[in-house]
Parts: sequence; structure tokens; C-alpha cells
Amino acid sequence: KAGVTQTPRYLIKTRGQQVTLSCSPISGHRSVSWYQQTPGQGLQFLFEYFSETQRNKGNFPGRFSGRQFSNSRSEMNVSTLELGDSALYLCASSLAPANQNSPLHFGNGTRLTVT
Amino acid sequence: GEDVEQSLFLSVREGDSSVINCTYTDSSSTYLYWYKQEPGAGLQLLTYIFSNMDMKQDQRLTVLLNKKDKHLSLRIADTQTGDSAIYFCAEKGLDKFYFGSGTKLNVKP
Repeated sequence: KAGVTQTPRYLIKTRGQQVTLSCSPISGHRSVSWYQQTPGQGLQFLFEYFSETQRNKGNFPGRFSGRQFSNSRSEMNVSTLELGDSALYLCASSLAPANQNSPLHFGNGTRLTVT
Repeated sequence: GEDVEQSLFLSVREGDSSVINCTYTDSSSTYLYWYKQEPGAGLQLLTYIFSNMDMKQDQRLTVLLNKKDKHLSLRIADTQTGDSAIYFCAEKGLDKFYFGSGTKLNVKP
């Protein structure tokens, strides 16, 4: 069974631009969560989607948004990029939403560099 | 559930046992997890334990849970250089996961 696939693996953008990251969950998984990982802040929760609905959201500005499609694939978008948005963005999928007992399975992430 | 704490570094010699510790805060957590992250990769699920268990063993990995003290540990027996990585513990709260800051394990040959 294929794991969680994130594309692209690397991105370099300029301040003020916007970016879209993509995540394909493990087949059969309907929940997708996004995390931002930086050396200083560790893993920060961005949002969780289940059946195309956002179930939960972390403490990030409105520049960070996401969506989930009917095939459970998810995208996240960051608009008006800032230098501080440089990070590894991780997507994780699970069978069920986080209020049920199902572990997260992570992709290898997208490394975003903002210059 | 937000204050999951781990020590930042651990250094051991190849062949020794490694013990990585974690404290969590949410007594209602039902599952606790250990993940491994190698350079350039995402987090790989290693093992997890249900909160009504004290111990779980899986080959070289042993997880111990002290629910009274909200303390979780991961023991790696016969540590190898390939075990060098960052290890994260995580607790599952009511509706989301909380991760520690990670313990960087360095295995010296």
C-alpha cells in the first residue's frame, strides 16, 4: 500500500508570493492533517480535514488555508508569503478523525524556503 | 494536552540500550505514540500504547507507561547506528494530537 505522498518535495518562493502544497493520503484514509515543522517551534498543528470538512484548526493566520477533495486528497495554500513561513510542511493521514483512535501516518513533507 | 515534554539530546554507544523519556499532561489521553524522524523525511510511526496498558514490547522496542506520573518512555535495546534520528512522543487528546519537541538520539560506533 502506498504511503502518504506530498508534492512537491522542495519549493523556493519569494516574499509576497503564494504557494499550494498537495497531499495524497494512504488509500482508504479519509482524514488529513497538516503540520508545520521548524527548528524553533517544533511541530505546529495547522488544520485537519475529514470528508471534505475542516474539523479543527490551529493558531495560524488566515493566510494559511486548506481544502480536501472528494477523493480525500488535500491541498494547503499559503498566501502573501513571509520569511517566517520557511519550514517543512508535513501532511498526515489517518483512517478516522482525531477524535477517534487512529494513528497518524506522515508523508515526507514539502520543504518550503521563502527568500 | 499541549505540554508534552522531552529532553532534547541523548547520546549512546552502539550496542547499548537507549531510553527516551517523555511527560505529558492530559490524563484523558487514550493513546500515546512514538514516532521516528530521519533527516529529510517525515515522521514514521514506531509504536503506540493504549492508556490502560503499562508496557508494550515490539522486537527491540519497549514502551513503558506510568499513568499516575504521566510519564512515557521508549527503550531501544541493542541500539544501532541506524537508530540515530529524532524521536517524538505524542499524545492524542480529545480531538487532536500533541507532539513533544523531539529527542535527538546520537549513536556512536
